[in-house]
Amino acid sequence: QKEVEQDPGPLSVPEGAIVSLNCTYSNSAFQYFMWYRQYSRKGPELLMYTYSSGNKEDGRFTAQVDKSSKYISLFIRDSQPSDSATYLCAMSHSNYQLIWGAGTKLIIKP
Amino acid sequence: DAGVIQSPRHEVTEMGQEVTLRCKPISGHNSLFWYRQTMMRGLELLIYFNNNVPIDDSGMPEDRFSAKMPNASFSTLKIQPSEPRDSAVYFCASSLEGSAAKNIQYFGAGTRLSVL
Repeated sequence: QKEVEQDPGPLSVPEGAIVSLNCTYSNSAFQYFMWYRQYSRKGPELLMYTYSSGNKEDGRFTAQVDKSSKYISLFIRDSQPSDSATYLCAMSHSNYQLIWGAGTKLIIKP
Repeated sequence: DAGVIQSPRHEVTEMGQEVTLRCKPISGHNSLFWYRQTMMRGLELLIYFNNNVPIDDSGMPEDRFSAKMPNASFSTLKIQPSEPRDSAVYFCASSLEGSAAKNIQYFGAGTRLSVL
C-alpha cells in the first residue's frame, strides 16, 4: 500500500461546478499538507499549503485536512476551463521529504 | 525572482550517449531536489542537496546517474550511458530550509528527455 493514495482520474466536470479532489494517507506523523497544480508540459506549482488540521481558503480554493481520518481535500468553487490541470497532493512530517500522490487529472468542460 | 531555471527544455539523444541536465535554483534557497516524472511512477525523488552537499541519493536509480552541486546557484544531473528507459521529464526544485514554510518546494519547468 502506498503512503499516499490519490485517484488519477480523469475527473471531468462542467464549467461552474464545485470540484472536490481528495487524498488519503497512512502515516499519522504527517503535519504539512500541500496541493500542487501542474499544467501540461509545465512544472508543479504550489496552490495551497496547510500545517496540521483545519481549513484554509484562498479565493475559489479551499483546502481541508482531517488528521483523524487521514484525509485531505481540495475544493474548487465556480470551476473554470483554466483550472483544467493535474492536481497533486504532497505531504511531509518534519523533514525535507515530500510524499506525493499520483495526481488527479481534472478537466473542466466549457 | 526568475524562479528555478532548467536547461535544456527538451533533449533527444541516442542510447549510450551522455546526457547532462542543468538547474539554477532560486537565489537564496539552500535546498535542491532532482525529480523524475513518468506516467507509470509519478514523481520520484532522485537526490536531495542541502547547502550544496548531497544528503539523500537513495532515489538515484543506478550508477549511470550522478548529480553535482558545485555552488549554491548551479546543479547538474548526468546520465551516462543513457538508456531508453531513462526517457522521462526531469524536474529540479528548490526550497529554503529553516524558513517557516520549509517544506515548500518550487519547481522548474522540467527537461523532457527522450532516449532513442
